Amino acid sequence: GAVVSQHPSWVICKSGTSVKIECRSLDFQATTMFWYRQFPKQSLMLMATSNEGSKATYEQGVEKDKFLINHASLTLSTLTVTSAHPEDSSFYICSALGGLAGELFFGEGSRLTVL
Amino acid sequence: LAKTTQPISMDSYEGQEVNITCSHNNIATNDYITWYQQFPSQGPRFIIQGYKTKVTNEVASLFIPADRKSSTLSLPRVSLSDTAVYYCLVGVPMDSSYKLIFGSGTRLLVRP
Repeated sequence: GAVVSQHPSWVICKSGTSVKIECRSLDFQATTMFWYRQFPKQSLMLMATSNEGSKATYEQGVEKDKFLINHASLTLSTLTVTSAHPEDSSFYICSALGGLAGELFFGEGSRLTVL
Repeated sequence: LAKTTQPISMDSYEGQEVNITCSHNNIATNDYITWYQQFPSQGPRFIIQGYKTKVTNEVASLFIPADRKSSTLSLPRVSLSDTAVYYCLVGVPMDSSYKLIFGSGTRLLVRP
């Protein structure tokens, strides 16, 4: 089946630095990708919809200048957490829309820890 | 976007059949129902998707009544490895504005 890969799977950074997370669709082209954030024991929260070649659409309450999303090609979307702080520590998951039935494929997730 | 309601948690034993019901009273005509499974520190994994009546694949069955205001995921003969969180979502696949909003999910614990 279709595969979505995220990198890195985990990252630790100092407060104030920026971190980039990549999301790739490995065997299909994804015009639309989604970014989610998940805190421990909670559900996934949709952050933004990433569209290839255009600006991302952010959900209410998500700071677009804080979470920069770039979808420069049909197989790659990136999420950059700028000036990260400890409260940004979370599990970030991307997904891509693909397949004949419009199935949503999820990446393995990236765990960010900000010290 | 249709909101979904599921039980927060369920307990079962190995070998039993588990049925998880999801309510989606405001489901739209074009919405499909999709179930995902998530293990700790992993992304959700697609289980099954349906529109009406019954759908079955190699891992589960999905029962959808005529009014489509609810759906039931059925896992036959669960094993310890089925311990996970199960999410029910509704939406229109392949729609350019398609996005899935996750509810609280059901935390299934399978005991030996």
